[in-house]
Amino acid sequence: AQSVTQPDIHITVSEGASLELRCNYSYGATPYLFWYVQSPGQGLQLLLKYFSGDTLVQGIKGFEAEFKRSQSSFNLRKPSVHWSDAAEYFCAVGGGLTGGGNKLTFGTGTQLKVEL
Amino acid sequence: DGGITQSPKYLFRKEGQNVTLSCEQNLNHDAMYWYRQDPGQGLRLIYYSQIVNDFQKGDIAEGYSVSREKKESFPLTVTSAQKNPTAFYLCASSETGLEQFFGPGTRLTVL
Repeated sequence: AQSVTQPDIHITVSEGASLELRCNYSYGATPYLFWYVQSPGQGLQLLLKYFSGDTLVQGIKGFEAEFKRSQSSFNLRKPSVHWSDAAEYFCAVGGGLTGGGNKLTFGTGTQLKVEL
Repeated sequence: DGGITQSPKYLFRKEGQNVTLSCEQNLNHDAMYWYRQDPGQGLRLIYYSQIVNDFQKGDIAEGYSVSREKKESFPLTVTSAQKNPTAFYLCASSETGLEQFFGPGTRLTVL
């Protein structure tokens, strides 16, 4: 069964500092990996995705993530955090569903707080 | 603009009532999903539909029901059998089932 672990429930960084959010996954084949962001009371917005190819993927809002197969990780990074980045971040892994189609399995999320 | 709409934004239910949450998309996606979100638990899949007139149970389907009579619509009914329905409900759609696009959510509270 596929699973995702986000070991950090809360992270606080200062504005302008760099950020890394951790994500570890378990999946039997080549995974499809995603990072989503959620502002309070809102839906989820896709930041970036990895399907295959270059292991460093660029996303929106200046975010990037690196797929490391040997570590089963897909950590999200940003060189300089802005106050507007404060939100909850979810890592997800995608794979096959019984009967066809695909399913996303989400981690429990990391709440990011940005100090001014 | 293409997207997913959910209504209402806030919903209040009395004990023993059934309530229906609306989800509409104009992205022409075949697949649609319902998730439940509780604090500290991430998103859990309730039901999904890959094509009109077909749907499957997800991980936590008990106490919920759905229909998929039109491609653009996937309503979720929270029945009185759902013992703890207070949560944030998110609808999503996808062309492939992998990259999913989410609606703004409905917050359901039991009074």
